[in-house]
Amino acid sequence: DIVMTQSPSSLAVSAGETVTINCKSSQSLFGSVRQKNYLAWYQQKPGQSPKLLIYLASTRESGVPDRFIGSGSGTDFTLTISSVQAEDLANYYCQQYYDTPLTFGSGTKLEIK
Amino acid sequence: EVKLVESGGGLVQPGRSLKLSCAASGFSFNDYWMGWVRQAPGKGLEWIGEINQDSSTINYTPSLKDKFTISRDNAQNTLYLQMSKLGSEDTAIYYCARGGYGWWGQGVMVTVSS
Repeated sequence: DIVMTQSPSSLAVSAGETVTINCKSSQSLFGSVRQKNYLAWYQQKPGQSPKLLIYLASTRESGVPDRFIGSGSGTDFTLTISSVQAEDLANYYCQQYYDTPLTFGSGTKLEIK
Repeated sequence: EVKLVESGGGLVQPGRSLKLSCAASGFSFNDYWMGWVRQAPGKGLEWIGEINQDSSTINYTPSLKDKFTISRDNAQNTLYLQMSKLGSEDTAIYYCARGGYGWWGQGVMVTVSS
């Protein structure tokens, strides 16, 4: 199985700051046929279902604010949230879909000071 | 509007079986892979498995392959998760999701306890 290592496990920031969440996979998620990285990011607010934010490592899902930016390739990926807002309080998960079983990172809890 | 509604959860005794359903609407169900993901209380997300459009391909996470069975009924626009030999470790919220995981249901709680 591909292991997804996510860091940090939690962080607290003030509104307006920029946040960086890291995700490292145990093997490359780059697919040579489509030349894409099969990595997604999800946001899960308290009491809600997960919501897809980013797919193919850097493509924003429709309706997702442009302050959410996905980057990285191969085994190292980053979710950057610029100018964090109070509504961004949530858990964030990375997920690889390069191979089955699909696997998630352990999550990052974002708190707003 | 895409809608996924899980049902069939509740309290079940250890060792027993339970079958969850996920009713889909608002899209052409038989055009999509469908999957199940669970989340134990206070824990992260765990992928259970997924099924392709005509049920010819079903993938599972290895640790659950012998306990859980995913199926679908395209005529009824419904996805199923048959769970057997349930233990306390299976206590979780169970979510169904459309292929690509851009759409998720609200989840259904399964509690395994005597």
